[in-house]
Amino acid sequence: GQQLNQSPQSMFIQEGEDVSMNCTSSSIFNTWLWYKQEPGEGPVLLIALYKAGELTSNGRLTAQFGITRKDSFLNISASIPSDVGIYFCAGQTSGTYKYIFGTGTRLKVLA
Amino acid sequence: DGGITQSPKYLFRKEGQNVTLSCEQNLNHDAMYWYRQDPGQGLRLIYYSQIVNDFQKGDIAEGYSVSREKKESFPLTVTSAQKNPTAFYLCAGSRGPGNTIYFGEGSWLTVV
Repeated sequence: GQQLNQSPQSMFIQEGEDVSMNCTSSSIFNTWLWYKQEPGEGPVLLIALYKAGELTSNGRLTAQFGITRKDSFLNISASIPSDVGIYFCAGQTSGTYKYIFGTGTRLKVLA
Repeated sequence: DGGITQSPKYLFRKEGQNVTLSCEQNLNHDAMYWYRQDPGQGLRLIYYSQIVNDFQKGDIAEGYSVSREKKESFPLTVTSAQKNPTAFYLCAGSRGPGNTIYFGEGSWLTVV
């Protein structure tokens, strides 16, 4: 099945640093979603985007819906140890019930 | 409290047995989904249901079966035909196209 290209696959960063990750698709999406998953738990929704160019924040997290509608970006500012986890993007095309998920970015924060 | 509830959290299956994972929701979601996640991997769609008494195969449906007799419930049966069933299984729900998808806490299935 189709999966989104998500990068980077993993990253180690120092506490306090900013983090950027992105997802790209060959398809146009009408909805972009970003999730965080901790070990042994279900993904938790962080940010939902519904319009091209939209920029939405949730605390230290900011996500953008790309203008081409084929990509999306997530930034985390001033990272802290509890930001550790796997971040997934997901996209949905208009009128469909299926969501396409990215392969995940594994984030590790060094105190 | 509520949301999407999966049970059991941990399940062990002997080879050759069928097992059923439960998923219940009280969010009035029309659509429900089952995903499989292998260690260190992303999410792969097994089955989804848009409405009661209807369901569609996802990308890896072989060896699995589902039913949707009630809006609130979408159980997944892992049959003996699934040759490598050990994985983390996630149930999810959504109001439909253009809406967010919410996940349960997952169920670990191990074949012993």
